[in-house]
Amino acid sequence: DAKTTQPNSMESNEEEPVHLPCNHSTISGTDYIHWYRQLPSQGPEYVIHGLTSNVNNRMASLAIAEDRKSSTLILHRATLRDAAVYYCILRAPFYNQGGKLIFGQGTELSVKP
Amino acid sequence: SAVISQKPSRDICQRGTSLTIQCQVDSQVTMMFWYRQQPGQSLTLIATANQGSEATYESGFVIDKFPISRPNLTFSTLTVSNMSPEDSSIYLCSVSVGAKNIQYFGAGTRLSVL
Repeated sequence: DAKTTQPNSMESNEEEPVHLPCNHSTISGTDYIHWYRQLPSQGPEYVIHGLTSNVNNRMASLAIAEDRKSSTLILHRATLRDAAVYYCILRAPFYNQGGKLIFGQGTELSVKP
Repeated sequence: SAVISQKPSRDICQRGTSLTIQCQVDSQVTMMFWYRQQPGQSLTLIATANQGSEATYESGFVIDKFPISRPNLTFSTLTVSNMSPEDSSIYLCSVSVGAKNIQYFGAGTRLSVL
């Protein structure tokens, strides 16, 4: 399984943008880049995913490097409710290993008021 | 999307006993997954459960310790057998839904073994 590297923790101020980095230098051509987050005492929830192009949704944006060896999750205006552990995961296609997710250690994001 | 219900939400068990955790989904899904999250740690995949076939276990997990049933497309159980204090963890069920194979997770079962 391809590995990802993320900072253990990051801090942000409320209503400011947050850029969460992820390195995945061994990514294969068919791996999708997925981001999930886990709020305290909850199961993980899906945030965003992409393959090659940058992606936007109502929760966040995902910027993918041209060589796909790194990516950045962008929260445009952090709120206190965004305090969570953010996981960057490389997911194989469904036909390969059933699309299972292998979690790394993630980045614990704290948001200061 | 999918709504997942896990039972029980928490339990305290004696060592040497077994606990069966139930996972119910509000729609039919092909792939279900069981994870363990030890205190202060990330999630570790235990096994993938497909309806009508044997579960596929990850390295370090065996069927005798974590038997899984998948009788239909909306339900699965995970049993933690012959428990020891090292089995104290949160156990989570998840499902893969839709063409994008996004995973949805239950709230988890918090297990303490004395």
